[in-house]
Amino acid sequence: SAVISQKPSRDICQRGTSLTIQCQVDSQVTMMFWYRQQPGQSLTLIATANQGSEATYESGFVIDKFPISRPNLTFSTLTVSNMSPEDSSIYLCSVHPAGGRTDTQYFGPGTRLTVL
Amino acid sequence: LAKTTQPISMDSYEGQEVNITCSHNNIATNDYITWYQQFPSQGPRFIIQGYKTKVTNEVASLFIPADRKSSTLSLPRVSLSDTAVYYCLVGDSGYALNFGKGTSLLVTP
Repeated sequence: SAVISQKPSRDICQRGTSLTIQCQVDSQVTMMFWYRQQPGQSLTLIATANQGSEATYESGFVIDKFPISRPNLTFSTLTVSNMSPEDSSIYLCSVHPAGGRTDTQYFGPGTRLTVL
Repeated sequence: LAKTTQPISMDSYEGQEVNITCSHNNIATNDYITWYQQFPSQGPRFIIQGYKTKVTNEVASLFIPADRKSSTLSLPRVSLSDTAVYYCLVGDSGYALNFGKGTSLLVTP
């Protein structure tokens, strides 16, 4: 298993601003993922972040809006840029520890973002 | 990814056994069945995973019939703290986990 922390746990932001969310893991992992969970909805994968390479974005998500950094094997950031109220969601990072199936992922506690 | 169908919500009393069934009629040969649990204001937590027959761990049991077109997550003697959303996922070890809408379980005294 892996222990994952996220900062901030929640934030309230003004439209047009940007917020960077941090994800820290207690062990080295190759695969890190960023998800969005809109109010009352299920989780949607935003992108996959591998250390040493560019993030891979899912359909409907672009790098200009959600730039991701992955400087090492234990840390990643997701920035939500030029925010609008539609970006109000919970943002979660997850990891797939080495070995085993990739559908067994461990999730952080999430960052609850409200955009006014 | 195989499409899954599970009840939107379920209610139970403390101490009862809860069975949540998930339908996945178009499951592929290489697909596994995975269940996650999500408490309010927390990220999902992996509960159990299986391919066929029965899998049991300290949290739950997973029953999968021979045709694998459905599966049942069994939670023995639930408590109030088992109130959560339970997601059934079916896939072949892909990175994009398809959580679907999940089943919201409410356990009351």
